[in-house]
Amino acid sequence: AQSVSQHNHHVILSEAASLELGCNYSYGGTVNLFWYVQYPGQHLQLLLKYFSGDPLVKGIKGFEAEFIKSKFSFNLRKPSVQWSDTAEYFCAVNLFSGGYNKLIFGAGTRLAVHP
Amino acid sequence: DAMVIQNPRYQVTQFGKPVTLSCSQTLNHNVMYWYQQKSSQAPKLLFHYYDKDFNNEADTPDNFQSRRPNTSFCFLDIRSPGLGDAAMYLCATSRASRGRTDTQYFGPGTRLTVL
Repeated sequence: AQSVSQHNHHVILSEAASLELGCNYSYGGTVNLFWYVQYPGQHLQLLLKYFSGDPLVKGIKGFEAEFIKSKFSFNLRKPSVQWSDTAEYFCAVNLFSGGYNKLIFGAGTRLAVHP
Repeated sequence: DAMVIQNPRYQVTQFGKPVTLSCSQTLNHNVMYWYQQKSSQAPKLLFHYYDKDFNNEADTPDNFQSRRPNTSFCFLDIRSPGLGDAAMYLCATSRASRGRTDTQYFGPGTRLTVL
């Protein structure tokens, strides 16, 4: 069965530290990849997405992610985190199956940034 | 602003007492999804409507039903809530046609408590 793995469930960083959150998926076909963010008390928001083209994708708030097809990975990065980046981050894969699109989420990574 | 709205934000029900959660959208998207998200877990797709076509996930319990009376509204009915149904319920929408994927936009969720 298709799945999405996020390696780190909890990450704690100091402000200005660099961030990399791992995401791997298991699906051999064409995929569309997403990172969603959920700030405390808020709804899931799209951070960035990859459909095709340049495998290095830039999103909002200085985040970027790199799609490496050979590694089935779509890791999220930010060179310098801020306290306001404290949130839960979800990687997701959009599969086209049975005639419909289906979004498979990873378990999420909870990021805490300390001032 | 175009958005996905969920009501109520918090719902408390008693064991076995039917409950209905509501989702509306101003995005005019043709696909609407319902997800269940338990604490510290990934959102799990329950079912979705592609226009008027209802698509149930294979492992969604029969206790969960849905209605979509028009493009803008979608309801989640839990016929006999059990303690294990306590969770955050997320509604999402997307504009999609068969063979083409698109981004899903999420509402703020309804947190269901079962007493």
